[in-house]
This record gives sequence, structure tokens and C-alpha cells, in this order.
Amino acid sequence: KAGVTQTPRYLIKTRGQQVTLSCSPISGHRSVSWYQQTPGQGLQFLFEYFSETQRNKGNFPGRFSGRQFSNSRSEMNVSTLELGDSALYLCASSDYRGSQLTEAFFGQGTRLTVV
Amino acid sequence: DAKTTQPNSMESNEEEPVHLPCNHSTISGTDYIHWYRQLPSQGPEYVIHGLTSNVNNRMASLAIAEDRKSSTLILHRATLRDAAVYYCILNPIIQGAQKLVFGQGTRLTINP
Repeated sequence: KAGVTQTPRYLIKTRGQQVTLSCSPISGHRSVSWYQQTPGQGLQFLFEYFSETQRNKGNFPGRFSGRQFSNSRSEMNVSTLELGDSALYLCASSDYRGSQLTEAFFGQGTRLTVV
Repeated sequence: DAKTTQPNSMESNEEEPVHLPCNHSTISGTDYIHWYRQLPSQGPEYVIHGLTSNVNNRMASLAIAEDRKSSTLILHRATLRDAAVYYCILNPIIQGAQKLVFGQGTRLTINP
């Protein structure tokens, strides 16, 4: 079974630009969650999608948005990039085993650098 | 979100057991205790989780205090590959969404 795939692995953008990151979950997984990891703030939850619906959102400005497609692939968009958005962006997939969500399976992340 | 407290760093030697502590004094009766670890340059990976009883799997053991206010992740024979940041996370039994609240974790160094 293929793991969680994130593309691209590395990205350099200029302040003010916008960026789209992609995440393909493990086949059959309907939940995709996104996290931002920085040296100062650690790993922080951005949002989670399940069957194309956002179920939970972290404390990030509206410049951070996402969506999920019918095949469970998800994209994350950051508009009007700021230097502080430089981070490792991780996505994780999971699904239900009975009534319980399974553990989260993480991708290797996209390293975004804003210059 | 209930919080966990872990030491910032720990060090051990290869092939020796490692005990990683976690305090969660405000844990709710409906919270699981999860452990994830993050190897260098990788995303986090699941290690183990438990509710009340001690748990074992191929990666590690989880010892949970009787009052559930603390737990210990046990690596029975550490290898160099176990060098990582270990995160102790509380997760509700009934989850409305997959949302992990990471603390700072414990950076584990393994000496050869």
C-alpha cells in the first residue's frame, strides 16, 4: 500500500505570492489533516477534511485554506505569503476502524521557503 | 485541549532500555494516550496508544499509571534508528475530526 504522498517536496516563493500544496492520502483513507511545523511554534494543526467537508480548523488566518476532492486528495493554499509562512507543511491521512479513527499516517512534508 | 508535559531531551545508549515519561494531570476519562515520533527529515509516525491498561506492540511498550495522570513509553532495546523527537498526545475516544495537538516533545539521543 502506498503511503501518503506530498508534492512538491520543496518550494521557494516570494512574499505576496500564493502557493498550493498537494496531498494524496493512503488509498481508502477519507480523512486528511494538515499541519505546519516551524522551529518556534512546533507542529500546529491547520485543518482536517473528511469526505470533502472541513470538520475542524486550527487557529490560522484566513489566508490558509484547503479543499478535498472526491478521490480524497487534498490541497492546501496559502495566499499573500509572508516570511513567517516559511515552514514544513505536513499532511496526514486516516480513516475509521469501526467507530474509531485510526492513527494518523504522515507524509514527508513540503518545505516552503518564502523570500 | 488537555496538555502533556515531557522532558525536553533525554539521552541513552544503544541496546539499553529507554523510559520516556509524560505527565498529563488534566487528562479526561475519555482521552486516549497516543505516542508519535518524528525521525530527522521525516513526518511523524505513530508508535503506540492506550487508555488504561499497559500496551505492547512491536515498536514499544506503554505503561500507564493507575490514576492515568502519567505514562511512560518504553523502548526495550534502543537502536540508533530510535533517535527522534517523541510526542505524547491526548486524543479523545470519540473524535469529531483527526486533530493531533503536539507539544514540544522529548528529543531522544542514542549514543553508539
